[in-house]
Amino acid sequence: QKEVEQDPGPLSVPEGAIVSLNCTYSNSAFQYFMWYRQYSRKGPELLMYTYSSGNKEDGRFTAQVDKSSKYISLFIRDSQPSDSATYLCAMSRGDSWGKLQFGAGTQVVVTP
Amino acid sequence: GAVVSQHPSRVICKSGTSVKIECRSLDFQATTMFWYRQFPKQSLMLMATSNEGSKATYEQGVEKDKFLINHASLTLSTLTVTSAHPEDSSFYICSARMGDYGYTFGSGTRLTVV
Repeated sequence: QKEVEQDPGPLSVPEGAIVSLNCTYSNSAFQYFMWYRQYSRKGPELLMYTYSSGNKEDGRFTAQVDKSSKYISLFIRDSQPSDSATYLCAMSRGDSWGKLQFGAGTQVVVTP
Repeated sequence: GAVVSQHPSRVICKSGTSVKIECRSLDFQATTMFWYRQFPKQSLMLMATSNEGSKATYEQGVEKDKFLINHASLTLSTLTVTSAHPEDSSFYICSARMGDYGYTFGSGTRLTVV
């Protein structure tokens, strides 16, 4: 079993719809949770960074962390074709090495 | 925000030659830099962790004599792929931790060995 599970998709939604992404994890030691967006042939871009359970909102993006269920989510409101990309969840134990564990990434396609 | 500048973005080299990839933190000091490899349609695979002024720590299965990492200053880390072969062709990405604000990534280097 992988430490971080993420459905690779692809997930296709019409423009303006809400995109719902999620990851589950098995290691309760993870404390920091991140969502990255990666366009083809580019480095990942940090979208959201959370530490504790709960919700965090930034513009059209909302991240949710439920540590008791070991489940994290990312919601994208009013999706645009420019949101078409691969979304990667990542998490860290927060120890001195700070290594990230990534999900497989979900490919999202927003159709006009 | 914090930026990691990675160069080159794309390189083609002949089999048997060496290639150096540079990552610079532009507006912050990166005491720790991470190097990843990514195959098409796959997630990032951590290759090694480099700390400024000390030897890099390699993940299991990564050949440290093939992938030389140098982190001589707080703003520069380099990855050298030595005696490259076609199977080393991949997308290489560096990353640095920005204190309590997550991790920032370079734009990646696409290496093609012919």
